[in-house]
Amino acid sequence: AQKVTQAQTEISVVEKEDVTLDCVYETRDTTYYLFWYKQPPSGELVFLIRRNSFDEQNEISGRYSWNFQKSTSSFNFTITASQVVDSAVYFCALSYLYGGATNKLIFGTGTLLAVQP
Amino acid sequence: DVKVTQSSRYLVKRTGEKVFLECVQDMDHENMFWYRQDPGLGLRLIYFSYDVKMKEKGDIPEGYSVSREKKERFSLILESASTNQTSMYLCASGGGYEQYFGPGTRLTVT
Repeated sequence: AQKVTQAQTEISVVEKEDVTLDCVYETRDTTYYLFWYKQPPSGELVFLIRRNSFDEQNEISGRYSWNFQKSTSSFNFTITASQVVDSAVYFCALSYLYGGATNKLIFGTGTLLAVQP
Repeated sequence: DVKVTQSSRYLVKRTGEKVFLECVQDMDHENMFWYRQDPGLGLRLIYFSYDVKMKEKGDIPEGYSVSREKKERFSLILESASTNQTSMYLCASGGGYEQYFGPGTRLTVT
């Protein structure tokens, strides 16, 4: 069965601190994708990154970086020099093909990040 | 730009009412999805559709039904709304491994 675990329910940091959000997944599929989404107080889910199961290269985008390790089934997300605008709920998700044609997303329970000024 | 729109951002309904939540996408995607989001539970899949008039139950379909008469439109129906259906409802559409989300409808059932 597919599963995504975000063990951190809430994290509070002070502006300019670095913070890492953890994500651990379970799947027996060899082909899958991993995602991170941000949900600000407005409610809309904002896509941040997609990673496929064959690409373990870490990725950096500005202050954001992602560490994908298949050996530990983890896909962690680090924000460097956090800002108040980073305050949001962050979801990790696993996508896999269902029935050969339809992708399904399994979400973690989310991590609420509060960045204090 | 992919656009997924939902008919209402906020909705207040009474117990027992029939409620329709509408979702429209403009990317000609085959797949469309309805999720509900509750604190501490993340997003849970209610129903999805992989083609017009085709639907499949997700993880929590009880109390809901769906309709997909046209490719771009996917409706979620609460036949008789109950207070435990108060939640945030998110629609998504997608092809391949990606899904694109609408802004969400916050439904309150009183």
